[in-house]
Amino acid sequence: KNQVEQSPQSLIILEGKNCTLQCNYTVSPFSNLRWYKQDTGRGPVSLTIMTFSENTKSNGRYTATLDADTKQSSLHITASQLSDSASYICVVSANNAGNMLTFGGGTRLMVKP
Amino acid sequence: GAVVSQHPSWVICKSGTSVKIECRSLDFQATTMFWYRQFPKQSLMLMATSNEGSKATYEQGVEKDKFLINHASLTLSTLTVTSAHPEDSSFYICSARGPFGDTQYFGPGTRLTVL
Repeated sequence: KNQVEQSPQSLIILEGKNCTLQCNYTVSPFSNLRWYKQDTGRGPVSLTIMTFSENTKSNGRYTATLDADTKQSSLHITASQLSDSASYICVVSANNAGNMLTFGGGTRLMVKP
Repeated sequence: GAVVSQHPSWVICKSGTSVKIECRSLDFQATTMFWYRQFPKQSLMLMATSNEGSKATYEQGVEKDKFLINHASLTLSTLTVTSAHPEDSSFYICSARGPFGDTQYFGPGTRLTVL
């Protein structure tokens, strides 16, 4: 069964600090992995997308890593801002008919001043 | 980038009434649209997949007669929650995918509250 597990479930950090969110997956055959940011009451917005051959991808203060061998990914947020408070969702796409997505449970990040 | 809109953004209705939610792809043709439901503090759960011009495919446990999906054009899909009950209160999110690639573009969501 395809699964995506994220940790921690929630995280509180002080403004300006860095943090790293984790994602482990068992989706097969693997196509790509995306990190989304979802503000409360809004739809998910894509931050990064990584394919099998990519190890690192950055988008501003967000840096995602992918280890396809261990089936792990991380999202590192540098110099956090209050606006980073949101849920971060790891989504893995299977390389099969329909390219169905498997969603992680998300990490709720709160950045405090 | 591709934009997907939803309307309304929030709706409050009485128990027993039906509610229609629209999902539109604004700048691309969406051959496939997806409907998700999200309960508080939970991740998105796929309800159904709809391809333009054909019947929707529902996930296990989702009642097709209760959640009517119509994908009549390449830019519009609608979800109608029939005879809504308080337990149907949730955040409904659609996504759209074009004919090439596997990228799904998400709408902003619709908050449904059934009294």
